[in-house]
Amino acid sequence: NAGVTQTPKFQVLKTGQSMTLQCAQDMNHEYMSWYRQDPGMGLRLIHYSVGAGITDQGEVPNGYNVSRSTTEDFPLRLLSAAPSQTSVYFCASRTGTGITGELFFGEGSRLTVL
Amino acid sequence: DAKTTQPTSMDCAEGRAANLPCNHSTISGNEYVYWYRQIHSQGPQYIIHGLKNNETNEMASLIITEDRKSSTLILPHATLRDTAVYYCIVRVLNSGGSNYKLTFGKGTLLTVNP
Repeated sequence: NAGVTQTPKFQVLKTGQSMTLQCAQDMNHEYMSWYRQDPGMGLRLIHYSVGAGITDQGEVPNGYNVSRSTTEDFPLRLLSAAPSQTSVYFCASRTGTGITGELFFGEGSRLTVL
Repeated sequence: DAKTTQPTSMDCAEGRAANLPCNHSTISGNEYVYWYRQIHSQGPQYIIHGLKNNETNEMASLIITEDRKSSTLILPHATLRDTAVYYCIVRVLNSGGSNYKLTFGKGTLLTVNP
C-alpha cells in the first residue's frame, strides 16, 4: 500500500515558469488537500477537494490552481512561479466516511523558485 | 475552530515519559482534539484524537481535562526517534460534511536526549 505519493520530491524553477506537483493516493480517499510549509511556520492550506470534480480554496490559494478529475489524483499547478512560492508542499488525504479524522500525508515536494 | 496554545519547545530524556501540554480554552462541545507530529523533513503523521474521554493507542495517550480546556499528549517511553514537532489541533469533525480541514499551528519541538 503506497499511501500518498508526491512527485517530484525536489524541483528548481525560474521565476515565471510553470509546473505541476503531482499527488496520488491509492486508499480510495474522498478528501485530498495541499498544504505549504515555510520555515518557522506551520502548515497552511492551499486548496482542498471533497471528491472528484469538487475543489475549494484554503487559506493561501493565490498563484495555485487545482483540479480533481479522478478520486486518486489531485495535482497542484503553479502557472507562473514566483520566489514567494519557494516552500515545501505536502499533499494529504483522508476517507470521507467514518469518524477517524486521520489525515495521511505524503513525504513532501521541495520547490525552489529562483 | 478553537485556538490552541503549545510551548515552543520541550526536552525529554530517552526512556522517560514525555508530556506535551496543549491549552484550548475556547473549545466548544463538538470539537475534537487531534495530535499530529512531524519528524524533520517528513510529512506530518497522525498520532491520536479524542473528544472527552482519555484515549490510548500504540503510539501515545491523550488526557483531556474534565472541562476540556486543556489536554496532554503522553509518550510513555520516549526514544530518540520521537524527536519531532508535535501539533495540537482542535476541529469539528465533519464525518460526511462538505469539507474537512485541519489548521496547523507552530507546534512544540520535542527533543529527546540520550
